[in-house]
Amino acid sequence: DVKVTQSSRYLVKRTGEKVFLECVQDMDHENMFWYRQDPGLGLRLIYFSYDVKMKEKGDIPEGYSVSREKKERFSLILESASTNQTSMYLCASSLGGGATDTQYFGPGTRLTVL
Amino acid sequence: GENVEQHPSTLSVQEGDSAVIKCTYSDSASNYFPWYKQELGKRPQLIIDIRSNVGEKKDQRIAVTLNKTAKHFSLHITETQPEDSAVYFCAASQSGGSYIPTFGRGTSLIVHP
Repeated sequence: DVKVTQSSRYLVKRTGEKVFLECVQDMDHENMFWYRQDPGLGLRLIYFSYDVKMKEKGDIPEGYSVSREKKERFSLILESASTNQTSMYLCASSLGGGATDTQYFGPGTRLTVL
Repeated sequence: GENVEQHPSTLSVQEGDSAVIKCTYSDSASNYFPWYKQELGKRPQLIIDIRSNVGEKKDQRIAVTLNKTAKHFSLHITETQPEDSAVYFCAASQSGGSYIPTFGRGTSLIVHP
């Protein structure tokens, strides 16, 4: 059974703080993704990675950066948190290589920026 | 890029009724169409998917149909139960390589007992 875990379920930060959200998957998946989920807007892709040290911008990368130093770990970084980054953040992984395209999601981190 | 439209945004049905959620996509190269269910406070999970070489797929009370010509696909839930209440997301993508799905905005399904 695939497990995708995220470092925090709830996080409260202040405007201007640097925020790290971590995601770990235990199934040797090649692809990892960070999404932002807001009511009525669905799942919007922030960044994805298809290999270690590789990253690609998604639809809404502004204000975010990512890091993938190890295959199992994908970090989302908010360099200077702002109130409009208050949201639910979901990490996901998929096997990659065309073998299967199912995405496995983490439990989410609800981030509040005050 | 791909654009996925999902309707309706909210769907309210009585227990036992059928529910249908529809999605349209824009990129004719898309060939993989999954549906995810997200219960309140939980993570999205795949419930069914269909590939472009198939027109319909069923799994117990849920089914998905695909019309490649019209570029739309639908989720059908029969004999709805209260535990079907959730947000459902459709997605479209080209499988293989750096797979990036485009999601619809979601449908909140409410099943009244």
